Amino acid sequence: GAGVSQSPRYKVAKRGQDVALRCDPISGHVSLFWYQQALGQGPEFLTYFQNEAQLDKSGLPSDRFFAERPEGSVSTLKIQRTQQEDSAVYLCASSLGLRDRGSPLHFGNGTRLTVT
Amino acid sequence: GDSVTQMEGPVTLSEEAFLTINCTYTATGYPSLFWYVQYPGEGLQLLLKATKADDKGSNKGFEATYRKETTSFHLEKGSVQVSDSAVYFCALPNDYKLSFGAGTTVTVRA
Repeated sequence: GAGVSQSPRYKVAKRGQDVALRCDPISGHVSLFWYQQALGQGPEFLTYFQNEAQLDKSGLPSDRFFAERPEGSVSTLKIQRTQQEDSAVYLCASSLGLRDRGSPLHFGNGTRLTVT
Repeated sequence: GDSVTQMEGPVTLSEEAFLTINCTYTATGYPSLFWYVQYPGEGLQLLLKATKADDKGSNKGFEATYRKETTSFHLEKGSVQVSDSAVYFCALPNDYKLSFGAGTTVTVRA
């Protein structure tokens, strides 16, 4: 496709349920990021992949959050035992090369997760 | 770490009004600076960028100048349209991550 695709677009989960959010980056993009955007806030970094390697997961808020990119393309962000504070928009972004300080990212439209 | 502080919103304007959104940064060096925009129902997209001091980024009638003296990167547009209604984010790279401001919601009324 032409851009970064995320699914589902909206997800409602009952507290305690597990959820899986999918990201299809632009074909051939090496770098992939997940960000969390709480209501009224800017996106906050969660994790970074370079191909299939997860090089940085320092932004994951707890061990309930897990991300993978097993074949270096599609990525899944999984949240176990969801809590209300997990309600946010989860953004995926990709870029063609290795990250440097000047390269912009291509963002998907995000998945809005609501935990009830 | 490096960070940006962005003017809080929301901002409501009439068409053809002048728009300024303030952004200041804190950084150890001279990173690139970005403005991203999020239109309703869409993903974040890069609006403009500047890679060094005194650079001016511009796109879609928007401009921002990287000012080292005041550590600022204010976003301006001389005559806004209804289609400019969106959330605007100032950002800078922290190594390979992006640090974003809180965002400023702009609503332009016809």
